[in-house]
Amino acid sequence: DAMVIQNPRYQVTQFGKPVTLSCSQTLNHNVMYWYQQKSSQAPKLLFHYYDKDFNNEADTPDNFQSRRPNTSFCFLDIRSPGLGDAAMYLCATSRGGTNEKLFFGSGTQLSVL
Amino acid sequence: GDSVTQMEGPVTLSEEAFLTINCTYTATGYPSLFWYVQYPGEGLQLLLKATKADDKGSNKGFEATYRKETTSFHLEKGSVQVSDSAVYFCADLNSGYALNFGKGTSLLVTP
Repeated sequence: DAMVIQNPRYQVTQFGKPVTLSCSQTLNHNVMYWYQQKSSQAPKLLFHYYDKDFNNEADTPDNFQSRRPNTSFCFLDIRSPGLGDAAMYLCATSRGGTNEKLFFGSGTQLSVL
Repeated sequence: GDSVTQMEGPVTLSEEAFLTINCTYTATGYPSLFWYVQYPGEGLQLLLKATKADDKGSNKGFEATYRKETTSFHLEKGSVQVSDSAVYFCADLNSGYALNFGKGTSLLVTP
């Protein structure tokens, strides 16, 4: 059974139209992460939550926001998607200790038209 | 900032061939090192890890040794199978929770 679930698998939005990507977990992990992966590039961390504590990476654009209403769910909101935001978005979780392994979802491939 | 560099892909091998995927890192100190694998249509999953110098991580016939002197963590497997076809990501973790990934190396194993 999938432990980190991302929906939808493919998302198409229009330039400038807000879009929300969803992630849920059944592992009861403390930490949830959002990574952006563009074609042939390394996954890049956008932000993460340790419980309710939000941690934004310094170079994450303001256009990207996140919400974590409870332990199980985390959302990525892109307020005004640009063509450059087309990418695979990966959600991951971990228990939160040092050197803990990350559990990844299958990702959401976002297209911006 | 710190970076992780992997060999460019795609790598194409015949079944039972020997595999090496090179990985080097620039982080100072003693970061933890990881290899993640992404099979087609699936999320990344941890393949193996090493947390201190000279440690060897191993799993499913894959091995990688933490070499501080060369800042490397090369992935090896003695005899690859078609089912090993995937994208392999090297990553380090120096502090906090943010894994620092390489760009990934695509491996295709042909029968």
